[in-house]
Amino acid sequence: DTEVTQTPKHLVMGMTNKKSLKCEQHMGHRAMYWYKQKAKKPPELMFVYSYEKLSINESVPSRFSPECPNSSLLNLHLHALQPEDSALYLCASSQALGEQFFGPGTRLTVL
Amino acid sequence: GENVEQHPSTLSVQEGDSAVIKCTYSDSASNYFPWYKQELGKGPQLIIDIRSNVGEKKDQRIAVTLNKTAKHFSLHITETQPEDSAVYFCAASITVNDYKLSFGAGTTVTVRA
Repeated sequence: DTEVTQTPKHLVMGMTNKKSLKCEQHMGHRAMYWYKQKAKKPPELMFVYSYEKLSINESVPSRFSPECPNSSLLNLHLHALQPEDSALYLCASSQALGEQFFGPGTRLTVL
Repeated sequence: GENVEQHPSTLSVQEGDSAVIKCTYSDSASNYFPWYKQELGKGPQLIIDIRSNVGEKKDQRIAVTLNKTAKHFSLHITETQPEDSAVYFCAASITVNDYKLSFGAGTTVTVRA
């Protein structure tokens, strides 16, 4: 299985809502990532988990809260988002340094 | 930090022709260079990568070349097909730098039938 899955595919939320994005991989990868991608731009790294521990936080606002319950799962908890947070949120995983495999993304719209 | 520049930003080719996308990087310590293809509504797909100890790598119709001295690398797509239409991103990373990929701005490739 060489797939990274993400749910939901689409999410619309108000600025006062709390929601979560989920990511799962069954490739035995020990590093997992969250990226944000705006239209016509490359992905921007948000967080990196390595061996279930947060190793990189790219100065992301606290309204985004990552969680890694186990080596196969990665969540991104969302609270009090702003309209400018609307974007495609991508999850990726890798076994070794490099060779990151991306999921299909969650299209988030904040009203 | 690493800075990756990618050219051209858009590329239109006739079906069957070749397409070439070029990237330059700034940090000579970078040693891993992947290329991603992103179709509309999908996540980026790793299509080929090259490490700094290799000068060229080929996989069917796609190939990547790396010139470490000049700090640039290129993606070559031969015999283009309509399904090659997508946005292509190059990236570079310093292996010891905790998994961080520095992406180019992307190239929108359109293959005309």
